[in-house]
Amino acid sequence: AQKITQTQPGMFVQEKEAVTLDCTYDTSDPSYGLFWYKQPSSGEMIFLIYQGSYDQQNATEGRYSLNFQKARKSANLVISASQLGDSAMYFCAMRDFRDDKIIFGKGTRLHILP
Amino acid sequence: DGGITQSPKYLFRKEGQNVTLSCEQNLNHDAMYWYRQDPGQGLRLIYYSQIVNDFQKGDIAEGYSVSREKKESFPLTVTSAQKNPTAFYLCASSIVGSPQYEQYFGPGTRLTVT
Repeated sequence: AQKITQTQPGMFVQEKEAVTLDCTYDTSDPSYGLFWYKQPSSGEMIFLIYQGSYDQQNATEGRYSLNFQKARKSANLVISASQLGDSAMYFCAMRDFRDDKIIFGKGTRLHILP
Repeated sequence: DGGITQSPKYLFRKEGQNVTLSCEQNLNHDAMYWYRQDPGQGLRLIYYSQIVNDFQKGDIAEGYSVSREKKESFPLTVTSAQKNPTAFYLCASSIVGSPQYEQYFGPGTRLTVT
Protein backbone atom coordinates (compact mmCIF):
# COMPACT_ATOMS: atom_id res chain seq x y z
CA ALA A 1 0.00 0.00 0.00
CA GLN A 2 1.06 3.56 -0.60
CA LYS A 3 2.30 5.54 2.36
CA ILE A 4 3.78 8.98 2.94
CA THR A 5 5.62 9.80 6.17
CA GLN A 6 6.56 13.26 7.37
CA THR A 7 8.32 12.94 10.70
CA GLN A 8 8.65 16.62 11.61
CA PRO A 9 5.37 17.96 13.04
CA GLY A 10 6.86 21.43 13.46
CA MET A 11 10.02 23.37 12.73
CA PHE A 12 11.36 26.78 13.70
CA VAL A 13 13.91 28.38 11.38
CA GLN A 14 15.59 31.76 11.36
CA GLU A 15 14.77 34.00 8.43
CA LYS A 16 17.23 33.72 5.51
CA GLU A 17 18.42 30.27 6.57
CA ALA A 18 17.86 27.21 4.41
CA VAL A 19 15.42 24.60 5.64
CA THR A 20 14.88 20.93 4.79
CA LEU A 21 11.51 19.27 5.26
CA ASP A 22 11.64 15.48 5.37
CA CYS A 23 9.43 13.09 3.44
CA THR A 24 9.69 9.35 2.98
CA TYR A 25 7.33 7.26 0.90
CA ASP A 26 6.45 3.69 0.16
CA THR A 27 4.95 2.24 -2.98
CA SER A 28 5.29 -0.93 -5.04
CA ASP A 29 4.57 0.89 -8.30
CA PRO A 30 7.73 1.73 -10.30
CA SER A 31 6.03 4.75 -11.88
CA TYR A 32 4.97 7.46 -9.49
CA GLY A 33 5.11 11.17 -8.86
CA LEU A 34 6.00 13.09 -5.74
CA PHE A 35 4.64 16.53 -4.91
CA TRP A 36 5.02 19.21 -2.32
CA TYR A 37 2.24 21.61 -1.41
CA LYS A 38 2.15 24.65 0.85
CA GLN A 39 -0.90 25.48 2.94
CA PRO A 40 -0.95 28.96 4.51
CA SER A 41 -3.33 29.73 7.36
CA SER A 42 -5.99 30.69 4.81
CA GLY A 43 -6.34 26.99 3.97
CA GLU A 44 -5.61 27.13 0.26
CA MET A 45 -3.28 24.47 -1.17
CA ILE A 46 -0.42 25.80 -3.27
CA PHE A 47 1.53 23.43 -5.52
CA LEU A 48 5.28 23.92 -5.12
CA ILE A 49 7.26 21.25 -6.92
CA TYR A 50 7.06 17.86 -8.63
CA GLN A 51 9.51 14.94 -8.99
CA GLY A 52 8.89 11.94 -11.22
CA SER A 53 10.18 8.52 -10.28
CA TYR A 54 12.16 8.27 -13.51
CA ASP A 55 13.61 11.76 -13.37
CA GLN A 56 17.39 11.64 -13.27
CA GLN A 57 17.86 15.08 -11.81
CA ASN A 58 16.43 16.69 -8.71
CA ALA A 59 13.59 19.09 -9.40
CA THR A 60 14.02 22.80 -8.75
CA GLU A 61 11.54 25.68 -8.79
CA GLY A 62 12.97 29.01 -7.73
CA ARG A 63 13.88 28.77 -4.03
CA TYR A 64 12.44 25.25 -3.81
CA SER A 65 14.36 22.11 -4.63
CA LEU A 66 13.57 18.48 -4.07
CA ASN A 67 16.29 16.18 -2.76
CA PHE A 68 15.21 12.90 -4.35
CA GLN A 69 16.93 9.74 -3.12
CA LYS A 70 15.10 6.91 -4.84
CA ALA A 71 16.90 4.03 -3.15
CA ARG A 72 16.04 5.47 0.24
CA LYS A 73 12.51 6.38 -0.88
CA SER A 74 13.12 9.90 0.27
CA ALA A 75 11.88 13.18 -1.25
CA ASN A 76 12.91 16.04 1.00
CA LEU A 77 11.96 19.64 0.21
CA VAL A 78 14.69 22.23 0.53
CA ILE A 79 13.78 25.91 0.79
CA SER A 80 16.72 28.23 0.33
CA ALA A 81 16.94 31.69 1.91
CA SER A 82 13.73 31.32 3.90
CA GLN A 83 11.32 34.25 4.17
CA LEU A 84 8.64 35.17 6.70
CA GLY A 85 6.02 34.33 4.08
CA ASP A 86 7.23 30.74 4.04
CA SER A 87 5.55 30.14 7.39
CA ALA A 88 2.87 27.57 6.63
CA MET A 89 2.01 23.88 6.64
CA TYR A 90 3.88 21.83 4.06
CA PHE A 91 2.59 18.55 2.70
CA CYS A 92 4.34 15.84 0.77
CA ALA A 93 2.12 13.82 -1.58
CA MET A 94 2.46 10.86 -3.90
CA ARG A 95 0.58 9.69 -6.94
CA ASP A 96 1.08 6.38 -8.66
CA PHE A 97 0.31 5.38 -12.19
CA ARG A 98 -2.11 2.61 -11.43
CA ASP A 99 -5.20 4.46 -10.30
CA ASP A 100 -4.54 8.19 -10.01
CA LYS A 101 -4.99 7.97 -6.27
CA ILE A 102 -3.09 10.72 -4.51
CA ILE A 103 -2.21 10.46 -0.86
CA PHE A 104 -0.72 13.03 1.51
CA GLY A 105 1.53 12.98 4.53
CA LYS A 106 0.47 14.55 7.82
CA GLY A 107 2.43 17.69 7.12
CA THR A 108 5.09 19.83 8.74
CA ARG A 109 4.28 23.22 10.20
CA LEU A 110 7.13 25.60 9.41
CA HIS A 111 7.65 28.78 11.43
CA ILE A 112 10.10 31.36 10.10
CA LEU A 113 11.48 33.59 12.83
CA PRO A 114 12.47 37.23 12.12
CA ASP B 1 -10.46 32.10 -15.18
CA GLY B 2 -10.18 28.35 -14.84
CA GLY B 3 -10.39 26.87 -11.39
CA ILE B 4 -12.32 25.00 -8.76
CA THR B 5 -15.13 26.47 -6.73
CA GLN B 6 -16.47 25.14 -3.48
CA SER B 7 -19.50 26.49 -1.77
CA PRO B 8 -20.23 27.57 0.79
CA LYS B 9 -17.02 28.60 2.55
CA TYR B 10 -18.57 28.00 5.98
CA LEU B 11 -21.42 25.60 6.71
CA PHE B 12 -23.24 24.94 9.94
CA ARG B 13 -25.58 22.01 10.52
CA LYS B 14 -27.36 20.28 13.33
CA GLU B 15 -26.38 16.76 14.25
CA GLY B 16 -28.44 14.16 12.43
CA GLN B 17 -28.86 16.18 9.23
CA ASN B 18 -27.32 15.24 5.92
CA VAL B 19 -25.43 18.03 4.20
CA THR B 20 -24.08 18.33 0.65
CA LEU B 21 -20.89 20.17 -0.20
CA SER B 22 -20.55 21.54 -3.69
CA CYS B 23 -17.50 21.25 -5.92
CA GLU B 24 -17.34 22.54 -9.49
CA GLN B 25 -14.38 22.78 -11.87
CA ASN B 26 -13.99 24.34 -15.30
CA LEU B 27 -10.50 22.97 -15.97
CA ASN B 28 -11.81 20.08 -18.06
CA HIS B 29 -10.11 17.64 -15.71
CA ASP B 30 -11.23 14.04 -15.67
CA ALA B 31 -10.27 13.24 -12.08
CA MET B 32 -11.81 14.82 -9.01
CA TYR B 33 -11.11 14.21 -5.33
CA TRP B 34 -12.52 14.94 -1.89
CA TYR B 35 -10.27 15.25 1.16
CA ARG B 36 -10.96 15.83 4.80
CA GLN B 37 -8.58 17.82 6.98
CA ASP B 38 -8.80 17.98 10.76
CA PRO B 39 -7.01 20.74 12.72
CA GLY B 40 -3.24 20.39 12.49
CA GLN B 41 -3.58 17.22 10.46
CA GLY B 42 -2.93 16.08 6.96
CA LEU B 43 -5.38 15.46 4.14
CA ARG B 44 -7.25 12.19 4.15
CA LEU B 45 -8.85 10.94 0.97
CA ILE B 46 -12.61 10.37 1.15
CA TYR B 47 -13.57 9.58 -2.45
CA TYR B 48 -12.15 10.11 -5.90
CA SER B 49 -13.43 9.81 -9.42
CA GLN B 50 -11.46 9.33 -12.62
CA ILE B 51 -14.39 9.49 -15.00
CA VAL B 52 -18.03 10.45 -15.11
CA ASN B 53 -20.41 7.97 -13.46
CA ASP B 54 -17.59 6.18 -11.67
CA PHE B 55 -15.88 6.76 -8.33
CA GLN B 56 -13.78 4.91 -5.79
CA LYS B 57 -13.62 4.95 -2.03
CA GLY B 58 -10.64 6.51 -0.37
CA ASP B 59 -9.31 5.78 3.08
CA ILE B 60 -12.22 7.26 5.08
CA ALA B 61 -15.35 6.83 2.94
CA GLU B 62 -17.66 5.64 5.72
CA GLY B 63 -20.45 8.12 6.38
CA TYR B 64 -19.94 9.95 3.08
CA SER B 65 -21.42 9.61 -0.39
CA VAL B 66 -20.63 11.19 -3.77
CA SER B 67 -21.96 11.35 -7.29
CA ARG B 68 -20.31 12.20 -10.61
CA GLU B 69 -23.08 12.81 -13.12
CA LYS B 70 -21.18 15.59 -14.91
CA LYS B 71 -17.50 15.99 -15.61
CA GLU B 72 -17.35 19.37 -13.95
CA SER B 73 -19.23 18.51 -10.74
CA PHE B 74 -18.43 16.19 -7.83
CA PRO B 75 -20.70 16.89 -4.83
CA LEU B 76 -20.02 15.29 -1.46
CA THR B 77 -22.81 14.38 0.96
CA VAL B 78 -21.93 14.09 4.61
CA THR B 79 -24.54 11.77 6.06
CA SER B 80 -25.77 11.45 9.62
CA ALA B 81 -23.78 8.19 9.79
CA GLN B 82 -20.52 10.16 9.87
CA LYS B 83 -19.61 10.23 13.55
CA ASN B 84 -17.35 13.29 13.56
CA PRO B 85 -18.27 15.41 10.53
CA THR B 86 -16.84 18.73 11.76
CA ALA B 87 -13.77 19.36 9.60
CA PHE B 88 -12.30 21.28 6.67
CA TYR B 89 -13.22 19.70 3.34
CA LEU B 90 -11.09 20.20 0.24
CA CYS B 91 -12.02 19.31 -3.30
CA ALA B 92 -9.38 18.86 -5.99
CA SER B 93 -9.12 17.94 -9.65
CA SER B 94 -6.41 16.69 -11.95
CA ILE B 95 -5.58 15.45 -15.41
CA VAL B 96 -5.38 11.66 -15.52
CA GLY B 97 -3.06 9.24 -17.24
CA SER B 98 0.31 10.16 -15.80
CA PRO B 99 1.74 10.62 -12.32
CA GLN B 100 3.20 14.00 -13.32
CA TYR B 101 -0.01 15.98 -13.09
CA GLU B 102 -0.53 17.92 -9.91
CA GLN B 103 -3.87 18.52 -8.30
CA TYR B 104 -5.65 21.82 -8.35
CA PHE B 105 -7.54 22.59 -5.16
CA GLY B 106 -10.61 24.57 -4.33
CA PRO B 107 -10.68 27.02 -1.41
CA GLY B 108 -12.37 24.49 0.90
CA THR B 109 -15.51 24.33 3.02
CA ARG B 110 -15.39 24.45 6.81
CA LEU B 111 -18.23 22.30 8.12
CA THR B 112 -19.35 22.60 11.73
CA VAL B 113 -21.93 20.18 13.09
CA THR B 114 -23.39 20.79 16.54
